[in-house]
Amino acid sequence: NAGVTQTPKFRVLKTGQSMTLLCAQDMNHEYMYWYRQDPGMGLRLIHYSVGEGTTAKGEVPDGYNVSRLKKQNFLLGLESAAPSQTSVYFCASRRPTWNSPLHFGNGTRLTVT
Amino acid sequence: KNEVEQSPQNLTAQEGEFITINCSYSVGISALHWLQQHPGGGIVSLFMLSSGKKKHGRLIATINIQEKHSSLHITASHPRDSAVYICAVARSNDYKLSFGAGTTVTVRA
Repeated sequence: NAGVTQTPKFRVLKTGQSMTLLCAQDMNHEYMYWYRQDPGMGLRLIHYSVGEGTTAKGEVPDGYNVSRLKKQNFLLGLESAAPSQTSVYFCASRRPTWNSPLHFGNGTRLTVT
Repeated sequence: KNEVEQSPQNLTAQEGEFITINCSYSVGISALHWLQQHPGGGIVSLFMLSSGKKKHGRLIATINIQEKHSSLHITASHPRDSAVYICAVARSNDYKLSFGAGTTVTVRA
């Protein structure tokens, strides 16, 4: 099993450009999350999904949109990238039980110039 | 104030030393997670606790629910233990987790 796969691994965007980050999991997990990680700060939740066709805002949703059209995929979109969105993005998934561990992707390093 | 506070922020140890990282939280939780992130690497789950103590190799994690406190211990530390260790709590009746800022551990040979 591949677990949680994120693509791309690296990307450089110019301000105003758009892109989509893809997260795919093959563990049939209900819950999926998108986080950003910035130096000196903990992981911050951008958006999350508790099942196919459902999404919800996290702590820092502004400037991002998400979709969960298929259970195994969770897409994160940046419609008009800003330098403040330079960060490392992590996707994670888990089963909907209290004792389910989190499984993380390897991260996407995004630089917006 | 963050819901999850870790200490210390940074820690340097000599190979072989015993290391302790602390995590305090201020909300009701169903589980607490300890995660490890190597430099430039992904994040892996080390432990998930709801009570008591768990051990895996040289790593030991404990939790005191009444005190709202958890510790991660590394015995006989090794340079390969150099990483960021992150505490996260799964809040009761919530889909989401709250994360500490992480503790950067450096083990010198």
